[in-house]
Amino acid sequence: ETGVTQTPRHLVMGMTNKKSLKCEQHLGHNAMYWYKQSAKKPLELMFVYSLEERVENNSVPSRFSPECPNSSHLFLHLHTLQPEDSALYLCASSPRGGPSHYEQYFGPGTRLTVT
Amino acid sequence: KQEVTQIPAALSVPEGENLVLNCSFTDSAIYNLQWFRQDPGKGLTSLLLIQSSQREQTSGRLNASLDKSSGRSTLYIAASQPGDSATYLCAVNLHDSGTYKYIFGTGTRLKVLA
Repeated sequence: ETGVTQTPRHLVMGMTNKKSLKCEQHLGHNAMYWYKQSAKKPLELMFVYSLEERVENNSVPSRFSPECPNSSHLFLHLHTLQPEDSALYLCASSPRGGPSHYEQYFGPGTRLTVT
Repeated sequence: KQEVTQIPAALSVPEGENLVLNCSFTDSAIYNLQWFRQDPGKGLTSLLLIQSSQREQTSGRLNASLDKSSGRSTLYIAASQPGDSATYLCAVNLHDSGTYKYIFGTGTRLKVLA
């Protein structure tokens, strides 16, 4: 496992539920990311938080709400999701954001199923 | 808009074979390119990172090359082993749609047969 942890690892929720995904990095990095990985599609960047920029992707539905209280923690709050939101949600961190010359390190992901 | 393509989508080889995975991208204005490995249902593990000014990087049995002008990268795996079975993803780092981000390919699913 890397220095990026995600909880829970698996989550099943109904369309009316509210839940949160948590990501924590122990690498001293200053940038964190949320990605969505759906079957047979490339990883899709959802949100970026870094000292250099704070990007909220306008193409991501408002039923996904990110929160980054500090450089080590990142949350993804979920509410009134749809079945098509079922996917693997991956968190990543890197030493910095912006035009990065550094690697991204990924967590193990949360497998989300919306029923 | 940057597009990243990986060919082949799937590959099955006998153990011991040397193999090449391909990654192509449409916009050469990248900062770096990173190769990852992903095991089923798991997160991504970084394998190699090539800066835009570099031509190749090596780590153990892995060698990655980068030709920015032609929009191509290859990942060479020497003497493949069953433990190499996984999906291999490449991603380019660039400025796109107002932010710096990694754009990922859809991956090559590799199976090495014992």
